[in-house]
Amino acid sequence: QSALTQPPSASGSPGQSVTISCTGTSSDVGGYNYVSWYQHHPGKAPKLMIYEVSKRPSGVPDRFSGSKSGNTASLTVSGLQAEDEADYYCSSYAGSNTLLFGGGTKLTVL
Amino acid sequence: EVQLVESGGGLVKPGGSLRLSCAASGFTFDFYSMNWVRQAPGKGLEWVSSISSSTAYIYYADSVKGRFTISRDNAKNSLYLQMNSLRADDTAVYYCARGSGSYANYFDYWGQGTLVTVSS
Repeated sequence: QSALTQPPSASGSPGQSVTISCTGTSSDVGGYNYVSWYQHHPGKAPKLMIYEVSKRPSGVPDRFSGSKSGNTASLTVSGLQAEDEADYYCSSYAGSNTLLFGGGTKLTVL
Repeated sequence: EVQLVESGGGLVKPGGSLRLSCAASGFTFDFYSMNWVRQAPGKGLEWVSSISSSTAYIYYADSVKGRFTISRDNAKNSLYLQMNSLRADDTAVYYCARGSGSYANYFDYWGQGTLVTVSS
């Protein structure tokens, strides 16, 4: 099983929106509604931002949203803020009780 | 407040062994599956292993199968990862994470990680 494919970088100015993609196959992203997204500031614990494609945990701002179409999931961050600058990772259930992560996307707030 | 604190990382020679621990607090530990996830330097996250709440179900990534053993002690609210036959490509920060949802498909709490370096 290969890692899910994410763009290595993304950027936007404060207040703008940015979308990060996560591409897999019909055996993972396309096969289950079990895609999650994590925010990771280096040196800190990763934080769950979106689970099961589009659900937001309590405490996560509604500026963060998730969606999926076919084998590609997306994370959209609206109204970018400086504190959104971080690495973002997608994850998907891949069957047989295994999980795959993406390679990560470094989001820069310009 | 949910807390996960990893320990046990360090420098080990290729072929050596190391045991990682994760101390959990702030939630009913034996209600949840638990996981180990790692991040090699400059790389993305990689799921390593999971264990169900009762220890009945254990799963491993192919990259560690046969070398790593996950376990837990619900009486001590602790998760463990015994790592044997370590290789240079096992060098990573190892995180413990709580699993939630169907198939424990997402991780709602993570620790800050412990660094394992495999080098001669």
